[in-house]
Amino acid sequence: AQSVTQLDSQVPVFEEAPVELRCNYSSSVSVYLFWYVQYPNQGLQLLLKYLSGSTLVKGINGFEAEFNKSQTSFHLRKPSVHISDTAEYFCAVSPPGSNQFYFGTGTSLTVIP
Amino acid sequence: GAVVSQHPSRVICKSGTSVKIECRSLDFQATTMFWYRQFPKQSLMLMATSNEGSKATYEQGVEKDKFLINHASLTLSTLTVTSAHPEDSSFYICSARRDSTTEAFFGQGTRLTVV
Repeated sequence: AQSVTQLDSQVPVFEEAPVELRCNYSSSVSVYLFWYVQYPNQGLQLLLKYLSGSTLVKGINGFEAEFNKSQTSFHLRKPSVHISDTAEYFCAVSPPGSNQFYFGTGTSLTVIP
Repeated sequence: GAVVSQHPSRVICKSGTSVKIECRSLDFQATTMFWYRQFPKQSLMLMATSNEGSKATYEQGVEKDKFLINHASLTLSTLTVTSAHPEDSSFYICSARRDSTTEAFFGQGTRLTVV
């Protein structure tokens, strides 16, 4: 079985400061890893994904994430946030060969001017 | 990236009526589509997995007679909330995948309000 833990439910950060949103997963098999962003009253938009290869993945809007197999983590980072980054962020995993997605509980990022 | 279109984006209906929500993959064929429900400030709760040409697979606790799912073609899945009640008010989101090696593409969501 797979599970995803996002330890921080809310993260306030000042504009232009760096941010890290944490994601840990539990799985008995290898998984694909994803980060999605959700703006109010909208669907989810893919930020980045890790399928294989380089453990450092770069995504849209200046975000990046690093897959750490030994720590079963896939933390999301951005060196300098903008007001427009205020949103809900979801980490998700999917076992290869499976159509299922398992989401974390989400992290609400609030960028303070 | 691929586009998944969900319609309507907002709907208000009277208690006891039924509401249909459509989810279309516009530029790819989706063998499998997913329906989620999201409560305020919470994560997505998977309701059911919709497979083209066969019956949907519902998650535990989801009433299949209340939330009717039809996946008539490789590009269209519908969710019908039957005999809606105020407690069915929520944000419903669909998603689709090309295959198991790609990400899921999400619709814009439907805000259902039952009055």
